[in-house]
Amino acid sequence: EVHLAQSGAEVKKPGESLKISCKGSGYSFTSSWIGWVRQMPGKGLEWMGIIYPGDSDTRYSPSFQGQVTISVDQSINTAYLQWSSLKASDSAIYYCAREGDDNWGYFDYWGQGTLVTVSS
Amino acid sequence: DIQMTQSPSSLSASVGDRVTITCRASQGISNYLAWYQQKPGKVPKLLIYAASTLQSGVPSRFSGSGSGTDFTLTISTLQPEDVATYYCQEYNSAPYNFGQGTKLEIK
Repeated sequence: EVHLAQSGAEVKKPGESLKISCKGSGYSFTSSWIGWVRQMPGKGLEWMGIIYPGDSDTRYSPSFQGQVTISVDQSINTAYLQWSSLKASDSAIYYCAREGDDNWGYFDYWGQGTLVTVSS
Repeated sequence: DIQMTQSPSSLSASVGDRVTITCRASQGISNYLAWYQQKPGKVPKLLIYAASTLQSGVPSRFSGSGSGTDFTLTISTLQPEDVATYYCQEYNSAPYNFGQGTKLEIK
């Protein structure tokens, strides 16, 4: 069974760095794109970017390019989303999700979400 | 970027009603369109992909149609458990943007 397990909730101060994780299991991790989706409090879903674990090919939304870094460690079936300097506006739930077996772009499995709170 | 616009933003319907939600793309996306359901406090769930293909395990009262720029999600007979926010997503070209969501409530 496909499962994406995300790291736990984080509370950070503005300016701090952060790296959250998403561990895949139950499928061939290197063969499916993994994406990150932001959901700010009370708001909709925002597509941030995707990475192909097989070769680390990465695509970012222009809205998030330069603001976050998406990476992967094939050896432990884990994808990451990181910030070098957090802002209060980064407070949100972040979901990782897997593209379907055909890698067309829609997400068929989602992680449970990681709540990030940035506050002084 | 391709912009996705859903209508209405919210709606209220009675149990047993037929409900339709519309999604419009700012340019043609063929049938590269998915629909998701997000219940309050829960993780989004894939309902439909390729505009009209029902994801495994999704009740048959959900259906999708459309191609090009205009798409619809239909719930044939609304059930209480369908209370949720529904999102469309294009995956024709990255970034694979979502619509702003349609919040569905029961009257």
